[in-house]
Amino acid sequence: NAGVTQTPKFQVLKTGQSMTLQCAQDMNHNSMYWYRQDPGMGLRLIYYSASEGTTDKGEVPNGYNVSRLNKREFSLRLESAAPSQTSVYFCASSSDRGSDTQYFGPGTRLTVL
Amino acid sequence: SQKIEQNSEALNIQEGKTATLTCNYTNYSPAYLQWYRQDPGRGPVFLLLIRENEKEKRKERLKVTFDTTLKQSLFHITASQPADSATYLCALDISYGQNFVFGPGTRLSVLP
Repeated sequence: NAGVTQTPKFQVLKTGQSMTLQCAQDMNHNSMYWYRQDPGMGLRLIYYSASEGTTDKGEVPNGYNVSRLNKREFSLRLESAAPSQTSVYFCASSSDRGSDTQYFGPGTRLTVL
Repeated sequence: SQKIEQNSEALNIQEGKTATLTCNYTNYSPAYLQWYRQDPGRGPVFLLLIRENEKEKRKERLKVTFDTTLKQSLFHITASQPADSATYLCALDISYGQNFVFGPGTRLSVLP
């Protein structure tokens, strides 16, 4: 059981470049989430997906798009990266029960120059 | 405005003492409140969950309380050990598993 996996672990982009962060979980969870974590600000929700085929905006969705490819995979795309998107990105998953915990991936450290 | 705060950015305590961390929030009505531990360079790891109708929850050396009137949760680690040193995050479930709000975290250092 790998849990939640994320690729890549590190990435450096130039302003205006695009990239996709990949996330996969093997726990048969319905819900998946993308967060960003910045110093002093805690984790902020970018997008979440309550089930395959559905996505909803979180607190900070601007500049990002997501795809829930299937039940296992949830990707985050930056179409035109900006320095303000320099952050650590975490993917998480949970069962569809409201009282369940979230399981987090190891994170992707992204720097936009 | 809606806000979630944790009492301090950093907390230092002596080994063996009880560490108490605070999470305060305004203008939310969470169904659940969770506490997570995060080590440097890693993702958060779930520790405890407490529901809005529960006053207290325990797990080994950990205890969490939840006062919905004060809009506050306290997280206690008894008989603290250097291995407990980490950042602790509180998180509000504000939409029954669909949406979570995290606090900024408290970095705990347990000194030998």
